[in-house]
Amino acid sequence: GAVVSQHPSRVICKSGTSVKIECRSLDFQATTMFWYRQFPKQSLMLMATSNEGSKATYEQGVEKDKFLINHASLTLSTLTVTSAHPEDSSFYICSAREGQLEAFFGQGTRLTVV
Amino acid sequence: QKEVEQNSGPLSVPEGAIASLNCTYSDRVSQSFFWYRQYSGKSPELIMSIYSNGDKEDGRFTAQLNKASQYVSLLIRDSQPSDSATYLCAVSNSGYSTLTFGKGTMLLVSP
Repeated sequence: GAVVSQHPSRVICKSGTSVKIECRSLDFQATTMFWYRQFPKQSLMLMATSNEGSKATYEQGVEKDKFLINHASLTLSTLTVTSAHPEDSSFYICSAREGQLEAFFGQGTRLTVV
Repeated sequence: QKEVEQNSGPLSVPEGAIASLNCTYSDRVSQSFFWYRQYSGKSPELIMSIYSNGDKEDGRFTAQLNKASQYVSLLIRDSQPSDSATYLCAVSNSGYSTLTFGKGTMLLVSP
């Protein structure tokens, strides 16, 4: 299957700092990228959907000024968690899709804010 | 509001049995259907995609789609303990940006 690379896999940051997570599609053009958050033993929660070159569409309750999403190219999207707080600690996962085909997931980023 | 419904489980089956996972969806114009497997602490991985009514087989996995009933299922033959995971159903309409996931069914395969 197609490869989506997400980095870093783990990050620990201090409260109040910002963290950037990268998601790259390695062998296909990601017309759409999705960002999810998942708390332990809970289901995937869609945070936002982004199309290349457009502003991301955020789900209700997700603060767009706190979770900055950039999808500047067909192979790269980034999620920046700004002014992180301990309650932002979670497993963040991206997925990428070309057209109407299957979406492939990155490996996920485990964020811990201390 | 597009919805994808799955029984949360856990579904427990003995090793070697057939596991049957079900999913219903609310949007009649849905066109693409996917099954993902997620192990605890890992991100989901694609198992099967199905686009037309009927059965699609890939190894021990068979996806079944019935658009009239708005129902998609995944059968796992000869279940193995390594199949123990949460299985996510995802549904998409003709738009590129819509991919709706169910909450997943936990499968437990006992040796």
